[in-house]
Amino acid sequence: GAVVSQHPSWVICKSGTSVKIECRSLDFQATTMFWYRQFPKQSLMLMATSNEGSKATYEQGVEKDKFLINHASLTLSTLTVTSAHPEDSSFYICSAGRGVTRTDTQYFGPGTRLTVL
Amino acid sequence: AQRVTQPEKLLSVFKGAPVELKCNYSYSGSPELFWYVQYSRQRLQLLLRHISRESIKGFTADLNKGETSFHLKKPFAQEEDSAMYYCALLSGGYNKLIFGAGTRLAVHP
Repeated sequence: GAVVSQHPSWVICKSGTSVKIECRSLDFQATTMFWYRQFPKQSLMLMATSNEGSKATYEQGVEKDKFLINHASLTLSTLTVTSAHPEDSSFYICSAGRGVTRTDTQYFGPGTRLTVL
Repeated sequence: AQRVTQPEKLLSVFKGAPVELKCNYSYSGSPELFWYVQYSRQRLQLLLRHISRESIKGFTADLNKGETSFHLKKPFAQEEDSAMYYCALLSGGYNKLIFGAGTRLAVHP
């Protein structure tokens, strides 16, 4: 149990276009979902936290108008990279928390590799 | 400032040797710490958490508040332990995790 999927697993797009990445919790309801980005050979950096039905909380330095997050249901969150540029190329990973307490485990998706040409 | 430091980018050992992956943290308050592992071409998965005081795949980690450390140890490394290991600190509300830079463990035959 506790599987998180991401779609697509990889995407290549032209500069200036928008890309949507989906994160789904397949067998549980996720009260909170998180979006990370990971540059090659670097650690995961939290971009934003989203709770179902409310606005996402963005980390300092993350442009909320560029990285649009929607958490419309307890099993789906989407990250839209608007007007993508080559510097947005990265590995984007989501995670989902199943419970409501701080110590509940986060389950990670397999990641989406975005390449912007 | 809340921070997790993993000083070693790469730890290379031979099979059967003891392993210690270092993790130090900076946090005001009572920390909650985790070790995550990422095997080649697989997703990040939880290895263990300090509140559980458990041993997973032979790994253990003890929280040392005096030294602000949460080092990961295994007495006898196996080749299948080769992976990327991340130490993480739970921060603030919403189960927010702060990750260290990660240490790549390479276990040679």
